[in-house]
Amino acid sequence: GENVEQHPSTLSVQEGDSAVIKCTYSDSASNYFPWYKQELGKRPQLIIDIRSNVGEKKDQRIAVTLNKTAKHFSLHITETQPEDSAVYFCALGGTSYGKLTFGQGTILTVHP
Amino acid sequence: EPEVTQTPSHQVTQMGQEVILRCVPISNHLYFYWYRQILGQKVEFLVSFYNNEISEKSEIFDDQFSVERPDGSNFTLKIRSTKLEDSAMYFCASSEVTAYQPQHFGDGTRLSIL
Repeated sequence: GENVEQHPSTLSVQEGDSAVIKCTYSDSASNYFPWYKQELGKRPQLIIDIRSNVGEKKDQRIAVTLNKTAKHFSLHITETQPEDSAVYFCALGGTSYGKLTFGQGTILTVHP
Repeated sequence: EPEVTQTPSHQVTQMGQEVILRCVPISNHLYFYWYRQILGQKVEFLVSFYNNEISEKSEIFDDQFSVERPDGSNFTLKIRSTKLEDSAMYFCASSEVTAYQPQHFGDGTRLSIL
């Protein structure tokens, strides 16, 4: 079945630095790759997604890159701010009726 | 912006009792999902639902679980005889026409089994 490995599990950066979180997967049939941000006690919130026909997508300070050959995709956050502190989850989709398989999550802490 | 709404926000139940978690998906969405998240862990898929039937379910979704769309707006998850290990946050999500559209999550129901 689908499996996704997410690294690092924790990431601590200074405000203004960049943060990169990477996910690798095994099922080459996956074709939808969303990223969710979850603040403590809140819902997972979709922040960006990419489909397998695109290699990179950017939305202001957030970007996602996809390498289908190597089966990995990454979240890039530039000019980090304290309010970016949260747990970030990557997910895989597109192999069945909408099921998303989530990574283990990355706790991002941005220090002012 | 339309949202997925879930009730109750917190449910405390004795082990062995039945619980029903309720969700109102976004109105023009046709695909509905339940996920759960045990405290401090990742989000896990339970079930997807389309056209009034289950499309896919995970191994977690055993005979104790059922889903229903009793009317045009509600989508429910029932756990027939709760166990201690059912304690988790349960999230409902919905997406538009196809399954490969973004899924929008509700605020969740925290289920505590005593």
